[in-house]
Amino acid sequence: SYELTQPPSVSVSPGQTARITCSGDALPKQYAYWYQQKPGQAPVVVIYKDSERPSGIPERFSGSSSGTTVTLTISGVQAEDEAEYHCQSADSSGTYWVFGGGTKLTVL
Amino acid sequence: QVQLVQSGAEVKKPGASVKVSCKASGYTFTSYEINWVRQATGQGLEWMGWMNPNSGNTGYAQKFQGRVTMTRNTSISTAYMELTSLRSEDTAVYYCASKNLGLGDAFDIWGQGTMVTVSS
Repeated sequence: SYELTQPPSVSVSPGQTARITCSGDALPKQYAYWYQQKPGQAPVVVIYKDSERPSGIPERFSGSSSGTTVTLTISGVQAEDEAEYHCQSADSSGTYWVFGGGTKLTVL
Repeated sequence: QVQLVQSGAEVKKPGASVKVSCKASGYTFTSYEINWVRQATGQGLEWMGWMNPNSGNTGYAQKFQGRVTMTRNTSISTAYMELTSLRSEDTAVYYCASKNLGLGDAFDIWGQGTMVTVSS
């Protein structure tokens, strides 16, 4: 079955740039989506269609895609950005959705 | 405002079934697909399947085929997810989510989650 691979954890100091990757064979064909999830809360979409940012999401959140890897970048990380981040995409046929394992972002 | 409100926590014994509801408000229920996603404690998100509330058509993740059924009652704008033959590994928070705001295929509206505990 199709899998998306994320690093389990990323740590950065406030004001630095955090980059979270997500790898999958179908990513050149399928859009990726990124969700932020804080403890006890439902996920919130922060990036859609690889690099689009919903209204209300701070400009420091951006997304990019290169081959089989997509990247969520958070520039000038703030303490409030500490959360779990999940990538999502579809298999190559577009039939099934898949989530990555999630990445815990720690702000030191 | 647009929201999805789910039913309350459930405790079930192994082998039993659970049915979780998801009531939509603030928009036309039949206009947007509903997906179900679950999350075991400390684990990632796991997609279970989708339902078209207008047609009733469904699509399930291979892992859950044969054990999950997604239905709806359009008169009360409510979607349901039933999972049968429960085992301890099914203990998780179950979310419904909708694609509502035109963000491509993003799950942009989520319910608050329903904790399902499977324990003897």
